[in-house]
Amino acid sequence: SQKIEQNSEALNIQEGKTATLTCNYTNYSPAYLQWYRQDPGRGPVFLLLIRENEKEKRKERLKVTFDTTLKQSLFHITASQPADSATYLCALASGGSYIPTFGRGTSLIVHP
Amino acid sequence: DSGVTQTPKHLITATGQRVTLRCSPRSGDLSVYWYQQSLDQGLQFLIQYYNGEERAKGNILERFSAQQFPDLHSELNLSSLELGDSALYFCASSRDRGVGKTQYFGPGTRLLVL
Repeated sequence: SQKIEQNSEALNIQEGKTATLTCNYTNYSPAYLQWYRQDPGRGPVFLLLIRENEKEKRKERLKVTFDTTLKQSLFHITASQPADSATYLCALASGGSYIPTFGRGTSLIVHP
Repeated sequence: DSGVTQTPKHLITATGQRVTLRCSPRSGDLSVYWYQQSLDQGLQFLIQYYNGEERAKGNILERFSAQQFPDLHSELNLSSLELGDSALYFCASSRDRGVGKTQYFGPGTRLLVL
């Protein structure tokens, strides 16, 4: 069955460091992958989208990589700040279906 | 602020009851999606409407139904409520239904079934 895996353990890092979050998937042929940020009790907020034929995407301090051979996406936040503390969700959509399936998310805690 | 509004913010009700959740999409967005988020299940897609018509169905129970009205707002109806229906319900909207379209999520309705 299709599976999206994100580390359920919180990632704790020091302010200024680079945070790296992982999204692994199985039994998927995703057309694209998205990353969302979610704060407690609030709706997810779209951050980045990367398509299957793209290896890397950047937006300000954010960088996403997409390796369809490893079936993995990495999400990086450089020069992290306490305000980056949130849960980050990855979502995949297969070709022909534009409805993304979400992972459970990984909590990021940036310590000052 | 995503531009998507949801009412009510909180809802407390009893088992067996019926509730209606309301969503207004961003101006100009034709697609509305409903999601359920609980602690043990994560964010689960329920149903999508596009310009008034049902377009895709996910893990939506038969006790749940939805519709999208001519003014593009949408309602999610939950009936014969059970304790396990307690969750956050999110509405999202997008400009159309094409692949790769960004979804903008509302603030959610927190439902507690006692």
